[in-house]
Amino acid sequence: GQSLEQPSEVTAVEGAIVQINCTYQTSGFYGLSWYQQHDGGAPTFLSYNGLDGLEETGRFSSFLSRSDSYGYLLLQELQMKDSASYFCAVRPNMDSNYQLIWGAGTKLIIKP
Amino acid sequence: EPEVTQTPSHQVTQMGQEVILRCVPISNHLYFYWYRQILGQKVEFLVSFYNNEISEKSEIFDDQFSVERPDGSNFTLKIRSTKLEDSAMYFCASGRWGGGGDTQYFGPGTRLTVL
Repeated sequence: GQSLEQPSEVTAVEGAIVQINCTYQTSGFYGLSWYQQHDGGAPTFLSYNGLDGLEETGRFSSFLSRSDSYGYLLLQELQMKDSASYFCAVRPNMDSNYQLIWGAGTKLIIKP
Repeated sequence: EPEVTQTPSHQVTQMGQEVILRCVPISNHLYFYWYRQILGQKVEFLVSFYNNEISEKSEIFDDQFSVERPDGSNFTLKIRSTKLEDSAMYFCASGRWGGGGDTQYFGPGTRLTVL
């Protein structure tokens, strides 16, 4: 089967740094994406890693290690508006490069 | 900034009825997707669509479901003979080129409630 594991909930303080981990077990791998979803809203794209290493986009960074089947999303200088659910998603393989397999999501709770 | 739109925002239907969920993808995008999310659960892939045909579908997307691009702008998901367990948020998404690094842009979703 195909599965992605991420913590169900993470709590952090405003202004702090938080890391959300994702491990995956899929039939193949062609990239790891991260999406943010506020309650009642649609998923919005945050970051994509196709190769090992760190991708930085403003306050958000994402890391991938293909040998470890592992990635993480790093959020810095947390703001209250960052309270949301964060999903990692994998493209299983190059032949199947259309669909995304999603993790169950990590609810990020930010305290003042 | 262009965005994906979906109608209706909320659809209530009786079990056994047919519903059509509508989406208008971003105009220069070529790849279209439907996902669903049962309340409090993860997003699940249903189907992808390119060049007027289904590219890929999941095991969820059985004969009860169909998709269509009836004109140059709309992309629809039809659910026949709805069941209680079809109650979920349905998201349409579109992408420019469908490749590994392509961003999928999601619409606001249609909340389907089957009674």
